Amino acid sequence: QQQVKQSPQSLIVQKGGISIINCAYENTAFDYFPWYQQFPGKGPALLIAIRPDVSEKKEGRFTISFNKSAKQFSLHIMDSQPGDSATYFCAASMRTNAGKSTFGDGTTLTVKP
Amino acid sequence: DTAVSQTPKYLVTQMGNDKSIKCEQNLGHDTMYWYKQDSKKFLKIMFSYNNKELIINETVPNRFSPKSPDKAHLNLHINSLELGDSAVYFCASSTPGHHYGYTFGSGTRLTVV
Repeated sequence: QQQVKQSPQSLIVQKGGISIINCAYENTAFDYFPWYQQFPGKGPALLIAIRPDVSEKKEGRFTISFNKSAKQFSLHIMDSQPGDSATYFCAASMRTNAGKSTFGDGTTLTVKP
Repeated sequence: DTAVSQTPKYLVTQMGNDKSIKCEQNLGHDTMYWYKQDSKKFLKIMFSYNNKELIINETVPNRFSPKSPDKAHLNLHINSLELGDSAVYFCASSTPGHHYGYTFGSGTRLTVV
């Protein structure tokens, strides 16, 4: 049973466009929703995260939108740049489970110049 | 000043061999993890330790044995390696103070031939 479903699997966006990646979760006990960015040959790096008592969080060009009732959250990358080309993972964790994170399957983003 | 360091970065070995991967973090985090990333980039948790105590042990063959000599180190020993063990193994650490956001190492690419 996949607890965190991520879509799309791959995404191609023109430079300057908006990239949107969506995730849906099932377990309402999750209390922390991070996004990670992974470049080839590197480990995933924490990009931005949100808690379920907040509907939106913005850091620079990256925004998380969170819909608790729908059990969905999404990552928006504004003014996408070629340097944003990477694999993005959403995740969900719960403090009571020692922070064990369940990851989505990843989205490969390609930003064309 | 590497936060989470893994060694070796690459490991090529024959079926049936035993190998170890080492991980060290200098962040002062309480919790460390091993994740496996397969060829499709899926990230799946294997183990988690909190202050040297095993707290998460997913359905992993008992050929895999983690060891945590102290809270800054988490090693992974694999016995009788099989072709299906080929993957990238990531060590990560986190702390409740950071809502369990992970800091990943750069990974160990294990190839079993």
